[in-house]
Amino acid sequence: EAGVAQSPRYKIIEKRQSVAFWCNPISGHATLYWYQQILGQGPKLLIQFQNNGVVDDSQLPKDRFSAERLKGVDSTLKIQPAKLEDSAVYLCASSAIKGRNTGELFFGEGSRLTVL
Amino acid sequence: DAKTTQPNSMESNEEEPVHLPCNHSTISGTDYIHWYRQLPSQGPEYVIHGLTSNVNNRMASLAIAEDRKSSTLILHRATLRDAAVYYCILRSNAGGTSYGKLTFGQGTILTVHP
Repeated sequence: EAGVAQSPRYKIIEKRQSVAFWCNPISGHATLYWYQQILGQGPKLLIQFQNNGVVDDSQLPKDRFSAERLKGVDSTLKIQPAKLEDSAVYLCASSAIKGRNTGELFFGEGSRLTVL
Repeated sequence: DAKTTQPNSMESNEEEPVHLPCNHSTISGTDYIHWYRQLPSQGPEYVIHGLTSNVNNRMASLAIAEDRKSSTLILHRATLRDAAVYYCILRSNAGGTSYGKLTFGQGTILTVHP
């Protein structure tokens, strides 16, 4: 079974530029998550989708971050304009069990962003 | 979100058992205890979870205190591949915005010596 796919693996941009990350979850997984992991810290949830609807985006900086999950499958996370503090690894995860908290999350390898 | 407390780091020798503690004194009755680990340059991976009873799987065992205020992840024979950051997380089964949310803390950095 294929895992969670993310691209690009690495991205370097100047501050105030824009960037987009793509995630393809495991086939059939209804729930998709985007996490931000700053070096030395644990991952922080940015947004959670259930199919193509948003369940939780309380920690998403909406003035610069946006995310969508069209057709309830793959998802895109965009940052515009980027700031230095956005340098981090952006992790995508998916889970199969709709709404239940025991559903195991499967994570991708992440997209590492460096903002100069 | 209910919080967990873990030691910043622990060390072990290869092929010896490792006991990773986690305190969660404010756990509620609807919180499940989850453990994930993160190998270098990889995303986190699920290890084990439980509610009240001890749990075993092919990767590890989870021992949960009777009052549920603490738990211990047990790796029976550590290998070099087990060197990772281990996260103990409470996952709510209650309604509202915390439902199903997985909130990571700092975790415990496990070093395994050959």
